[in-house]
Amino acid sequence: TQLLEQSPQFLSIQEGENLTVYCNSSSVFSSLQWYRQEPGEGPVLLVTVVTGGEVKKLKRLTFQFGDARKDSSLHITAAQPGDTGLYLCAGKAETGGFKTIFGAGTRLFVKA
Amino acid sequence: GAGVSQTPSNKVTEKGKYVELRCDPISGHTALYWYRQSLGQGPEFLIYFQGTGAADDSGLPNDRFFAVRPEGSVSTLKIQRTERGDSAVYLCASSLMASGISNEQFFGPGTRLTVL
Repeated sequence: TQLLEQSPQFLSIQEGENLTVYCNSSSVFSSLQWYRQEPGEGPVLLVTVVTGGEVKKLKRLTFQFGDARKDSSLHITAAQPGDTGLYLCAGKAETGGFKTIFGAGTRLFVKA
Repeated sequence: GAGVSQTPSNKVTEKGKYVELRCDPISGHTALYWYRQSLGQGPEFLIYFQGTGAADDSGLPNDRFFAVRPEGSVSTLKIQRTERGDSAVYLCASSLMASGISNEQFFGPGTRLTVL
């Protein structure tokens, strides 16, 4: 069974602080995606990483895929209240297929 | 343009009843996915359709759950003899195609199912 473990589960920080959330697995994934979900809505894709060691930047967000394609991190610089939400990582197994596995998420709260 | 829509947004039913949840994907999207999200958890894969056929139904928890997509567009998730443990948000997503490792899934807002 492929699992994605996210940490921390909950994070409450002040506006302007930096933070990193992690997504780890013992399995190899062909790609990993990061989503953000707000209450009452479905997840919205932020980024997809496919190559081991890949780093992608989206404004103040930096995403990294581990060299072995088993883990990923999301770093937010100078967090803002608008960053508040549930951050989910998701992956497709290297063995193929179309099944997407989601982690349980990191709930981020940024205080003004 | 319209995104993925799901109806109803909320459904309250009694244990043992039958429910149907509907998903309207983005026009032209051939791939459609159903997920279930329990409180405090990430979405859990249920079933994936490519066109009209269920290409992967390995996530359906038991035979009380069934889904159809007869014309390759709208899909209905059907739950028979509902149980309290079925209470969750049921999410639908669609993507332009399923092939390729980085196809983007667009999610609907979900249907919150409560079984009393």
